[in-house]
Amino acid sequence: DAKTTQPNSMESNEEEPVHLPCNHSTISGTDYIHWYRQLPSQGPEYVIHGLTSNVNNRMASLAIAEDRKSSTLILHRATLRDAAVYYCILRDSYGAGSYQLTFGKGTKLSVIP
Amino acid sequence: NAGVTQTPKFRVLKTGQSMTLLCAQDMNHEYMYWYRQDPGMGLRLIHYSVGEGTTAKGEVPDGYNVSRLKKQNFLLGLESAAPSQTSVYFCASSYPLTRTDVPYEQYFGPGTRLTVT
Repeated sequence: DAKTTQPNSMESNEEEPVHLPCNHSTISGTDYIHWYRQLPSQGPEYVIHGLTSNVNNRMASLAIAEDRKSSTLILHRATLRDAAVYYCILRDSYGAGSYQLTFGKGTKLSVIP
Repeated sequence: NAGVTQTPKFRVLKTGQSMTLLCAQDMNHEYMYWYRQDPGMGLRLIHYSVGEGTTAKGEVPDGYNVSRLKKQNFLLGLESAAPSQTSVYFCASSYPLTRTDVPYEQYFGPGTRLTVT
């Protein structure tokens, strides 16, 4: 799987928007961009994913650069419950690697009341 | 729905002992996975299964065996535990990759914290 680069940690004030960046300069044309998050002492949970176009769901928005070499996860209004480690993951859509999610160290988001 | 459940939640083993971790899902998912997470690290795939009776190796399979005798269950076995296997183990499940009507989303269990002394 292609590598992703994320900041180790970020802080946000409660009820403000949060932009979590991810660089993936070696992304291939068949790689999907996935975001998961892991709350303390829990298993990861799916947040959002996309291929080329920006995506929105009830949890977040995903903005993908035109060249696909970077993406940004946007939480529109951070709450204390959003404090977690956020993982940006590339998943190949074909072959044996398509089954695998390769988790890096992610970005630890702290939300300040 | 209970989603993905794992038993036990905690376990302490002595070096050389064996044990089996059980994962169960009630979402009728075809695919199931076992990951391990070491302190301060991301998850690494141990083994996975794309259907009942099938298993395949992931990134770090050595020292582990798995079985998928029933669609809803995926067992992870440690035949001779070593301190290097001290970790938190997560099970996950998902729909098949071939389905285009649902996102390729893996649903994770709460984890099993294993300590090998």
